[in-house]
Amino acid sequence: AQSVSQHNHHVILSEAASLELGCNYSYGGTVNLFWYVQYPGQHLQLLLKYFSGDPLVKGIKGFEAEFIKSKFSFNLRKPSVQWSDTAEYFCAVNDRTGGFKTIFGAGTRLFVKA
Amino acid sequence: DVKVTQSSRYLVKRTGEKVFLECVQDMDHENMFWYRQDPGLGLRLIYFSYDVKMKEKGDIPEGYSVSREKKERFSLILESASTNQTSMYLCASSFRAHSYNEQFFGPGTRLTVL
Repeated sequence: AQSVSQHNHHVILSEAASLELGCNYSYGGTVNLFWYVQYPGQHLQLLLKYFSGDPLVKGIKGFEAEFIKSKFSFNLRKPSVQWSDTAEYFCAVNDRTGGFKTIFGAGTRLFVKA
Repeated sequence: DVKVTQSSRYLVKRTGEKVFLECVQDMDHENMFWYRQDPGLGLRLIYFSYDVKMKEKGDIPEGYSVSREKKERFSLILESASTNQTSMYLCASSFRAHSYNEQFFGPGTRLTVL
């Protein structure tokens, strides 16, 4: 069965620090990969996604993620975090050929100190 | 803007009660999903639907049923609520054309079963 593993459940950073959140998935087929974010009191929303082409994808608010197929990874990065990046981040994967069932990771809570 | 609305933000029910959670989307999306969100477990798919009157089981369908009589509306039913169904329930929708289409989420319903 597919699974998604997020390495850190809680991350605390100071403003201007660099961020990298790890995500690994287990699935041998062709996948679509997503990062969703949930800001305090707000809906889950898409941050970025990868489905084909350049494995380095850029999303909203200066976030980017790199798909490394050989490592089954899709890590999220931001060079300099802001207090407003405090949120919970979810990595997700679905099978490109198998329909719409999407598997989410457990989430990483990021707290950015001002 | 896509809007996904859920009938209640907070709900308190007693063990054994029948519970209805309603979700409505206004963007003519074919796909609709019900997840539950629990700390440390991320989002887990309960059921999804890719068309009116169609439904597919997700990873944790036990104790739940769904109904999709109209394209814009997807209902989650707890036939006999139990305390282990206390959770945050999220509804989402997406276009069916591609598996990489993002899901749009509602605000969630926090259900407490006493």
